[in-house]
Amino acid sequence: GQSLEQPSEVTAVEGAIVQINCTYQTSGFYGLSWYQQHDGGAPTFLSYNALDGLEETGRFSSFLSRSDSYGYLLLQELQMKDSASYFCAVRRSNYQLIWGAGTKLIIKP
Amino acid sequence: GAVVSQHPSWVICKSGTSVKIECRSLDFQATTMFWYRQFPKQSLMLMATSNEGSKATYEQGVEKDKFLINHASLTLSTLTVTSAHPEDSSFYICSGGAGANVLTFGAGSRLTVL
Repeated sequence: GQSLEQPSEVTAVEGAIVQINCTYQTSGFYGLSWYQQHDGGAPTFLSYNALDGLEETGRFSSFLSRSDSYGYLLLQELQMKDSASYFCAVRRSNYQLIWGAGTKLIIKP
Repeated sequence: GAVVSQHPSWVICKSGTSVKIECRSLDFQATTMFWYRQFPKQSLMLMATSNEGSKATYEQGVEKDKFLINHASLTLSTLTVTSAHPEDSSFYICSGGAGANVLTFGAGSRLTVL
C-alpha cells in the first residue's frame, strides 16, 4: 500500500527552528514535495527533492534520503505567519501526488 | 507564475441538486489536472485525474457517475457533483502541473449541501 507518516502537530516558539519529518512507503517514487496550507486556503508549493540531500530556499530547507525513505522540512527563524499545516507528498508519476496527513505547526510568541 | 483559477469559491445548495465547479489554467496549458477533496482537519484526497480530450481516471472508491469530470480544453476542467447530499459537503480543490515538479492549486471551492 501507499503511506506517508508525519507528526500530526508540532509546537515551536517564534524565532526558533523546527523540523517536520516525513517517512514514506509508496510504489513508485519520483520525488518528495512539501506544501504549506493555511486554514481555509489552498496548498502552496514549498519545495521538491528528487535526489538525496538538502535543498535550501530562504528560511525553508528540505532534505531527502531515498535509501531511508525519509525526508524533512526545516523551517528557520520562525514567524507567526508560518503557522499553518505542512504536507509532505510523494510524486508517484506524471504530477500525481500521494499526500501525508499533514502537520499542524503552532507557533507561540 | 502559473495560476489556476477555480470558482465558485463557495457554494450552498439543496440536497438533490447538482453543482459544477470550474478550474482554469490561466497562463499555461494543462493536459492533466487533478481534483482533490479535503474534509476539515484532514489531508487532501485525490479523487480523479482529469485528462484533456479523454476520460478521467478515478481513484478507488470515488463514484464516477456522481462526480462527473470534463476536460474539454487545455485550460478548463470541470467537476460536477450530481445529486448532492450533505455528506458531499467538503472543500474541493483542483490542481495543474505548471512545471516539471510543481503543482499549482486553485483556491478551492467550499461546498455546503443543506
